[in-house]
Amino acid sequence: QKEVEQNSGPLSVPEGAIASLNCTYSDRVSQSFFWYRQYSGKSPELIMSIYSNGDKEDGRFTAQLNKASQYVSLLIRDSQPSDSATYLCAVQPSNTGKLIFGQGTTLQVKP
Amino acid sequence: SQTIHQWPATLVQPVGSPLSLECTVEGTSNPNLYWYRQAAGRGLQLLFYSVGIGQISSEVPQNLSASRPQDRQFILSSKKLLLSDSGFYLCAWRGGPNEKLFFGSGTQLSVL
Repeated sequence: QKEVEQNSGPLSVPEGAIASLNCTYSDRVSQSFFWYRQYSGKSPELIMSIYSNGDKEDGRFTAQLNKASQYVSLLIRDSQPSDSATYLCAVQPSNTGKLIFGQGTTLQVKP
Repeated sequence: SQTIHQWPATLVQPVGSPLSLECTVEGTSNPNLYWYRQAAGRGLQLLFYSVGIGQISSEVPQNLSASRPQDRQFILSSKKLLLSDSGFYLCAWRGGPNEKLFFGSGTQLSVL
């Protein structure tokens, strides 16, 4: 089992719709969770971090964490073509200095 | 403010040649430093991370090595490159465990 798993996609949504991106992780006591966006040929940029169960909202983005289910998700409201990118989930396993990334989900927002 | 510098942006090297990629961080002290590799169409693979000078953790056995000669300098090296070493190499830093990770601009390495 991979430490962090994401569906590679592509996930295709129409402009203005809600995009839902999902991520599961294997280390039950993982402490920190992050979502990054990566455009082709560029380095990843941080969108959101979440540390506690529940929802965290920042503008059009909402991160959701469920530690019991070992599940973290990212919702993008009012999706725009400029949101088309690969979204990477990252998890901090317990008692380590490393940050593990999933394979990423490619999102396509169609005008 | 903190900044991370990574160079070069692109590099083409023949098989069997050596490699040295350098990364430096400004505006912070004792950062946690990371090297990741991203093969074409793939996710980010953690190669090495360091929580202090001279402290290197290796995640994937391979012909690469890393060193941290100074607090804010992280170097990725190879004595002899393989075709499979091609990829997008990313240096990253953060202030400590559980903190946000910030990436450099990356080096696109092509081994021919």
